[in-house]
Amino acid sequence: RKEVEQDPGPFNVPEGATVAFNCTYSNSASQSFFWYRQDCRKEPKLLMSVYSSGNEDGRFTAQLNRASQYISLLIRDSKLSDSATYLCAVNPKQAGTALIFGKGTTLSVSS
Amino acid sequence: EPEVTQTPSHQVTQMGQEVILRCVPISNHLYFYWYRQILGQKVEFLVSFYNNEISEKSEIFDDQFSVERPDGSNFTLKIRSTKLEDSAMYFCASNRGPATNEKLFFGSGTQLSVL
Repeated sequence: RKEVEQDPGPFNVPEGATVAFNCTYSNSASQSFFWYRQDCRKEPKLLMSVYSSGNEDGRFTAQLNRASQYISLLIRDSKLSDSATYLCAVNPKQAGTALIFGKGTTLSVSS
Repeated sequence: EPEVTQTPSHQVTQMGQEVILRCVPISNHLYFYWYRQILGQKVEFLVSFYNNEISEKSEIFDDQFSVERPDGSNFTLKIRSTKLEDSAMYFCASNRGPATNEKLFFGSGTQLSVL
């Protein structure tokens, strides 16, 4: 089983839609979780950390389900500028520092 | 806002040649990383570096790869004898420390093309 798995998509949605992505991770001892955004041929940029209690940043909401070992990202009121690839990142080790990335889910928002 | 800088942005080399990719991490960061992304594939961890030594490395980071912090600001990745399959975008990243929730910041990458 791969360490971090995501549905690659693409998700094609109209402006204003709500869209949700899931990411599963294999190591139950994983400690930290993030969502990154990557535009075509650019570096990943941190979108938000994911906390056990769930967290929200404007139109973006992240949730963590430790029992089922998945994290989710919800985007409300999609904008054209949200079109990108969304990468799930997990620190799989208690004391290590390297983040392991999923392959990403591609979102295309159209007018 | 402080950022990780990488040079060059593009590097073309012949198979078998040595290349050095350069990075300047954010100044108060202590952990440094190299990741790579083959076109259409995921971002893959190569190596992490702390206190002038490698702290973790992946299976990809074999004997042809090495990292160095030659001075107080630069962090380099050397590929000794490049192969066609080394063609990828190489990202440098840094963060402040080993805390498990520490955010990772990436440079804009070096696109390496091996011919």
